[in-house]
Amino acid sequence: DADVTQTPRNRITKTGKRIMLECSQTKGHDRMYWYRQDPGLGLRLIYYSFDVKDINKGEISDGYSVSRQAQAKFSLSLESAIPNQTALYFCATSDPGQREVETQYFGPGTRLLVL
Amino acid sequence: LAKTTQPISMDSYEGQEVNITCSHNNIATNDYITWYQQFPSQGPRFIIQGYKTKVTNEVASLFIPADRKSSTLSLPRVSLSDTAVYYCLAGSGNTPLVFGKGTRLSVIA
Repeated sequence: DADVTQTPRNRITKTGKRIMLECSQTKGHDRMYWYRQDPGLGLRLIYYSFDVKDINKGEISDGYSVSRQAQAKFSLSLESAIPNQTALYFCATSDPGQREVETQYFGPGTRLLVL
Repeated sequence: LAKTTQPISMDSYEGQEVNITCSHNNIATNDYITWYQQFPSQGPRFIIQGYKTKVTNEVASLFIPADRKSSTLSLPRVSLSDTAVYYCLAGSGNTPLVFGKGTRLSVIA
């Protein structure tokens, strides 16, 4: 969805480096999420935020941190990258007011390779 | 959160109707069933959502029996472009939905 953008789209880094993945949205949604996807494993939730002052761990938060700088921005940091963090990372947003259970809108993904 | 179980993969020929069944035995009273579709190297996108009986939109139909312990996503007359991973989720929106591994549908010419 073009309303959710992620930068960079591709990134190669070395073990031990700190990197940041950024997500921006123009949908005006309060809720934002970070997922990672590994081949054959579906999507796993890393962190989520239901509003600017709210940050929650997902199922695989170890080794990651996040920052919700504004309603529209949610950044994911890898404090010290390791090779098993090589994956496809997705940011998503949602609005609980749209339907009974809100629809999540995903960004295009960031492909990260840790050497 | 209600855990969902769905087949890992399915194959179909073009033009056929495809039905993907999802099991959610411990679904809660206020949970809805939502299906997403994901193409390679893209994020998932919403297909359909329902609570009970039948829901139909321009893309698919969703059948939910009275006991709500399972649901079936029906894709009419699939084409090659329907090749994707389909995720079944059950939840109420109070906590994030769990995507799981999904069902990989391969449509063959």
